[in-house]
Amino acid sequence: AQSVAQPEDQVNVAEGNPLTVKCTYSVSGNPYLFWYVQYPNRGLQFLLKYITGDNLVKGSYGFEAEFNKSQTSFHLKKPSALVSDSALYFCAVRAKALTSGTYKYIFGTGTRLKVLA
Amino acid sequence: GAGVSQSPSNKVTEKGKDVELRCDPISGHTALYWYRQSLGQGLEFLIYFQGNSAPDKSGLPSDRFSAERTGGSVSTLTIQRTQQEDSAVYLCASSLAGGTQYFGPGTRLLVL
Repeated sequence: AQSVAQPEDQVNVAEGNPLTVKCTYSVSGNPYLFWYVQYPNRGLQFLLKYITGDNLVKGSYGFEAEFNKSQTSFHLKKPSALVSDSALYFCAVRAKALTSGTYKYIFGTGTRLKVLA
Repeated sequence: GAGVSQSPSNKVTEKGKDVELRCDPISGHTALYWYRQSLGQGLEFLIYFQGNSAPDKSGLPSDRFSAERTGGSVSTLTIQRTQQEDSAVYLCASSLAGGTQYFGPGTRLLVL
């Protein structure tokens, strides 16, 4: 089955330290990969995406993510965390639905990032 | 409009009542998606529209759930005979065909 996994429910990091939020996927074909962030009582905001090309993609708020085809991973990273980065982060993949042939988006269960002052 | 809007922002209803949730996508976006986010859970895909047609309804949890889209724009998600387990935040997103999804603020539904 096509799926997205975010193995950590929560990640704690001290302010100023680098952060990594992990994501792995299992889909057929070449996936489009996305990261979204959800602040408390807010909708999801798009951070960045990978479609093709350079494996390192840069996005909003200083975030970046590295696509690793051999490891089927798309980890989110930031060199220096801010307290304001504390939020819920979702990884998503666009994959072709095996039955209908249309595209569908599969989201991970989310990782809560807590940046400590 | 500037972004995806949803109404109402909050809805409290009694078990057994019907509710309608509305989504106004970004102008020009042909694709529209409905998701459900239960407390502490990830996003559960419900249904996807391309134009006015729904090629993927696989996520609708029961026949109490239905959705329509008219004029390639506004969409309505209807839940009939609501149950307490329907309580969740219902999120709508829109995109250009195959493009990045942009989400609305959600409708928080509470079924008493």
